Amino acid sequence: NAGVTQTPKFQVLKTGQSMTLQCAQDMNHNSMYWYRQDPGMGLRLIYYSASEGTTDKGEVPNGYNVSRLNKREFSLRLESAAPSQTSVYFCASTGTSGIRGSYEQYFGPGTRLTVT
Amino acid sequence: SQQGEEDPQALSIQEGENATMNCSYKTSINNLQWYRQNSGRGLVHLILIRSNEREKHSGRLRVTLDTSKKSSSLLITASRAADTASYFCATTHSGGYNKLIFGAGTRLAVHP
Repeated sequence: NAGVTQTPKFQVLKTGQSMTLQCAQDMNHNSMYWYRQDPGMGLRLIYYSASEGTTDKGEVPNGYNVSRLNKREFSLRLESAAPSQTSVYFCASTGTSGIRGSYEQYFGPGTRLTVT
Repeated sequence: SQQGEEDPQALSIQEGENATMNCSYKTSINNLQWYRQNSGRGLVHLILIRSNEREKHSGRLRVTLDTSKKSSSLLITASRAADTASYFCATTHSGGYNKLIFGAGTRLAVHP
């Protein structure tokens, strides 16, 4: 199993350009998440998808859109990139097990995005 | 705003020593998790402790949870150079759909 995969690994954009970050998981997880990590900080949730067909805003959704394409794939789109969106982006997924669930999240390797 | 705050922000120790990291949070939780991040990599789940648990062990890891003080600690015993990484606590909350709220992390350096 590959776990959680993300593409691309690195990207440089000019201000105003758009791009889509791709994420896929092969663990049959219901829930998927997009986070950003800025230097010296923990991860902040951008958007999440509790199950296929649903998406919701997290802590820092402005400037982003998401699509839960199917159970495996969850993409993050920057419509008009800004320098403030320079960050490392992580995708994660989680499944539950047992009565109270397990809740641990599995993370992809990240996409390092620079907006100039 | 972030829920958890780790203390210390950075920790430097010698191999064989124990490393203790602390985490505080603000609102009641379902569970608290610890993750490790090696430089330039994604996060790896280490251990989860539920709100009704007080202590949990996994190999060289020991986690405690004090819900009355809204705090947790992660102890790594007999540290190795390979333990060098950043460590993050993250909390989940009732109705939160497994949303994790992360602290800013503790950077641990273990010197041979």
